[in-house]
Amino acid sequence: EAAVTQSPRNKVAVTGGKVTLSCNQTNNHNNMYWYRQDTGHGLRLIHYSYGAGSTEKGDIPDGYKASRPSQENFSLILELATPSQTSVYFCASGDEGQDYAEQFFGPGTRLTVL
Amino acid sequence: GDSVTQTEGQVALSEEDFLTIHCNYSASGYPTLFWYVQYPGEGPQLLFRASRDKEKGSSRGFEATYDKGTTSFHLRKASVQESDSAVYYCALSDRGSNNRIFFGDGTQLVVKP
Repeated sequence: EAAVTQSPRNKVAVTGGKVTLSCNQTNNHNNMYWYRQDTGHGLRLIHYSYGAGSTEKGDIPDGYKASRPSQENFSLILELATPSQTSVYFCASGDEGQDYAEQFFGPGTRLTVL
Repeated sequence: GDSVTQTEGQVALSEEDFLTIHCNYSASGYPTLFWYVQYPGEGPQLLFRASRDKEKGSSRGFEATYDKGTTSFHLRKASVQESDSAVYYCALSDRGSNNRIFFGDGTQLVVKP
């Protein structure tokens, strides 16, 4: 059974609309992450969280908010969606071991903003 | 800051060809290095990792050796198959990086039958 799930898998939104992408994990990991993936840019970190109630800015946070209401759930919110936010979004969960952090990814959400 | 550089954006090969994807890193500490693979329509998944100088990571016929001297972790496979077509990401995690993983830009591998 998939440990990191995302919903919706596909979303079409209008410019200026509000979009919420949801992520759920059953790994019992403390840390969760939101990335976007665009051709030529690889995976870019938007927001991440160390646990329920915490959110941290990643490398490209502008235009995005995040919410971590529980250990299992982490949402990415686009208050005013723009066409430049058309992308594939990945959620991941992870923990830090003795020497390193490791992350486990969901299947992605394809967002199109018209 | 920590970073990973993958030289090749796209690699096109025929089945049974030898594969090399170059990865170089920059880190303030002694990082753990990873290779992730992403198949079409899926999220990235860990291929393997290495944490010590000269340590070899391997999986599914792919391998890479941690080289602290040249700050490299090049991915190699002796004989690729069409099913290996995917995007490959080199990445690193450093104890001082606040649980982050830093990814390279990815290399699209296309293997023709």
